[in-house]
Amino acid sequence: SQTIHQWPATLVQPVGSPLSLECTVEGTSNPNLYWYRQAAGRGLQLLFYSVGIGQISSEVPQNLSASRPQDRQFILSSKKLLLSDSGFYLCAWSPHGILGAGNTIYFGEGSWLTVV
Amino acid sequence: AQSVAQPEDQVNVAEGNPLTVKCTYSVSGNPYLFWYVQYPNRGLQFLLKYITGDNLVKGSYGFEAEFNKSQTSFHLKKPSALVSDSALYFCAVRASQAGTALIFGKGTTLSVSS
Repeated sequence: SQTIHQWPATLVQPVGSPLSLECTVEGTSNPNLYWYRQAAGRGLQLLFYSVGIGQISSEVPQNLSASRPQDRQFILSSKKLLLSDSGFYLCAWSPHGILGAGNTIYFGEGSWLTVV
Repeated sequence: AQSVAQPEDQVNVAEGNPLTVKCTYSVSGNPYLFWYVQYPNRGLQFLLKYITGDNLVKGSYGFEAEFNKSQTSFHLKKPSALVSDSALYFCAVRASQAGTALIFGKGTTLSVSS
């Protein structure tokens, strides 16, 4: 079966410091990978998605970037965090296929980021 | 542009009563519709989806949802609510055209009282 791991679970970082959140998926090959942010425990905002190694699409201009150095690894980064970057970040995956197919997206357990 | 609306921020039901969490959508063409549940400080868990076929979809934990094309709705239902069903529920929609992302509603908090 497929599993998704995301870490760290919680993170408190000062303004201006760098960020690295990591996500790996096991039990599948060439998945579509996603980073979402959830603010105030409500709506989800798609930040980035990737359909293959080195292929990153950004949905919203951010102080953030994403990379996919390996097939099942997805990293969310920032060089200098802002207070507004605080939130709950969710990594997710869906089976390989054309973006827009009826594949289910499966989520990791999330990472709480507090920028102070 | 595609969008999804969950008109109720919160739904309150008594344990044992039926529950409904509402969702309406707007897409060009045929929709793919999903329901997810989120418990506090956890990731989203997939409940069910409608792709094509039977309008009544059955999912995990006794939940079901009915696709209504004329009303552009996909309401989540359960015949008998449990206290453990209390959580945040998200409806999501994706257009069937390639290259479109999954768009989530703002979520509805379900509170089941004993």
